[in-house]
Amino acid sequence: DTAVSQTPKYLVTQMGNDKSIKCEQNLGHDTMYWYKQDSKKFLKIMFSYNNKELIINETVPNRFSPKSPDKAHLNLHINSLELGDSAVYFCASSQTRDRGYSSGNTIYFGEGSWLTVV
Amino acid sequence: GEDVEQSLFLSVREGDSSVINCTYTDSSSTYLYWYKQEPGAGLQLLTYIFSNMDMKQDQRLTVLLNKKDKHLSLRIADTQTGDSAIYFCAESTGGFKTIFGAGTRLFVKA
Repeated sequence: DTAVSQTPKYLVTQMGNDKSIKCEQNLGHDTMYWYKQDSKKFLKIMFSYNNKELIINETVPNRFSPKSPDKAHLNLHINSLELGDSAVYFCASSQTRDRGYSSGNTIYFGEGSWLTVV
Repeated sequence: GEDVEQSLFLSVREGDSSVINCTYTDSSSTYLYWYKQEPGAGLQLLTYIFSNMDMKQDQRLTVLLNKKDKHLSLRIADTQTGDSAIYFCAESTGGFKTIFGAGTRLFVKA
């Protein structure tokens, strides 16, 4: 069973379109994330939700809107897609632990969604 | 601010040991991680170390932590071609934000 699954894996779309990427985790975690990985493989956090509440919102254009219907799902909707949005988007999850827990809040990643805007 | 730095490239011969280094700036970092990313795949957790430890060994992997110098390393013994990947160092203070380095691209020559 896939722990963090996201769909679609590949997405090719035209500029100006609106698209969504869905993510689900079956690990029972209370925190979910969206990361963006650019062509140079740099990984940057975009959003984080804890118990369906937005807790991290980095400097991301407001064309990107995350939605968390429940703790197990975090979807990413992108409006008016631009060429520069082409990247790999990773969903991830973790379980909040008390400080001092040996593995901390280890993040588990999905396989990624390859978005190409043409 | 928080920052994690690692060299971008490392090339080794098959059978040799690989050592990937990482430095971080946040002295309150409590948890440090190594992730592996193979081509076309997501990031896979390799190992982690808690800040009160100096070393952790797991089969071919050895993690060394020098908290004074804020230096973390990952040693892969008997490196194989299947170890070719990008290795990300990451730090966390136990909160919701985990900071990742830029990744070290490991090339293993047969």
